[in-house]
Amino acid sequence: EIVLTQSPATLSLSPGERATLSCGASQSVSSNYLAWYQQKPGLAPSLLIYDASTRATGIPDRFSGSGSGTDFTLTIARLQPEDFAVYYCQHYGSSVTFGGGTKVEIK
Amino acid sequence: EVQLVESGGGLVQPGGSLRLSCAASGFTFSSYSMNWVRQAPGKGLEWISYISGRSITIYYADSVKGRFTISRDNAKNSLYLHMNSLRDEDTALYYCARGGATTRPAEFDYWGQGTLVTVSS
Repeated sequence: EIVLTQSPATLSLSPGERATLSCGASQSVSSNYLAWYQQKPGLAPSLLIYDASTRATGIPDRFSGSGSGTDFTLTIARLQPEDFAVYYCQHYGSSVTFGGGTKVEIK
Repeated sequence: EVQLVESGGGLVQPGGSLRLSCAASGFTFSSYSMNWVRQAPGKGLEWISYISGRSITIYYADSVKGRFTISRDNAKNSLYLHMNSLRDEDTALYYCARGGATTRPAEFDYWGQGTLVTVSS
């Protein structure tokens, strides 16, 4: 089972700033089967990025994913007020694991 | 419009059983794999089970293997999770989530709103 470690646990930023979230895998992620989700309080997670770098339908281009192997990054180019939330990375394959999450909060 | 609506949650005593349901609409249900994911209060996401479109392939997380059973009824566009021998640590919000339409591993592109299971005496 691949273990995903997200850092930092909390990111305190101001609207308009750039957010860089990291997701490290305990072993290489095959075929870059890595997704990112956003979760706002009281709501279900929603898909942002899949296959490490492909934006899901309707996701603004300020969200971008990159990385391969064991190191992946979610970048939010210019934080909007609605972007303050918790973000999870996920590996999907013969088994599925989630990272522990990064909370992006208003500074 | 794709919709997933979970039901069946509630308060159950340790050692008890519960069956969760997920009603799907807005897509060809039998063509897609489905998953259950749970989230304990204030905690992160934990995947617990997968079922392929025709129920040929099923996977479980170690934490629920032998106690939970996933199933689906494509004629009713419904996904189920039968939970036995419930423990305090099974207390969580349970989500159903849609996987992919092929045998390729897939991200979860649609999620329900969740149903809350509380295990307590």
